[in-house]
Amino acid sequence: DVVMTQSPLSLPVTLGQPASISCRSSQSLVHGDGNTYLNWFQQRPGQSPRRLIYKVSNRDSGVPDRFSGSGSGTDFTLKISRVEAEDVGVYYCMQGTHWPPWTFGQGTKVEIK
Amino acid sequence: QVLLVESGGGVVQPERSLRLSCAASGFTFSSYSLHWVRQAPGRGLEWVAVVSFDGINKYYAASVKGRFTISRDNSKNTLFLQMNSLRTEDTAVYYCARDPDSTFGGDLDYWGQGTLVTVSS
Repeated sequence: DVVMTQSPLSLPVTLGQPASISCRSSQSLVHGDGNTYLNWFQQRPGQSPRRLIYKVSNRDSGVPDRFSGSGSGTDFTLKISRVEAEDVGVYYCMQGTHWPPWTFGQGTKVEIK
Repeated sequence: QVLLVESGGGVVQPERSLRLSCAASGFTFSSYSLHWVRQAPGRGLEWVAVVSFDGINKYYAASVKGRFTISRDNSKNTLFLQMNSLRTEDTAVYYCARDPDSTFGGDLDYWGQGTLVTVSS
């Protein structure tokens, strides 16, 4: 199984400051079809997960442009350029290249300092 | 708009069974693969099972294989998860989620609100 490792697991951030979450996979996530199936999800307190980014860097409709995804191979990053209060929650990366199973990172809790 | 609504959760004793449903609307149900993902209290997300758009291909997490069965009724736009021989460690909120990728890419673009399953004696 592909192991997804996120860091940090807890991220206190000052409002208006940037934040960055790392996600590393135990093997390359480049699929034979050329795509890299690495997704980022946000889960606000008490809510269901919501997809933010798919295939590494594609931002979903309605997701603020302060969110961006990057990376390749085994090393991926989610960045928030300026954290706002509504960004509080837990962020998960997930791989869909080598399945089954589809695997998630442990989650990174973003909170305001 | 796309809507996924789970139901069927509740409190059940160990070794008993429960059947979850996920009613879908707002899209062509029979064109999409669907996943079940669960989240134990205070824990992270864990993938459980997936079924292809036509109901033919099914895959399971090792932790539920042989006990859980995923299925779908495309005539009723409904996804199911039959859970047998339940264990206390199956206690979680269960979400259904849509996969828009034809190669099971896991780009889960829509999620339901979840249904809580509590396994306890």
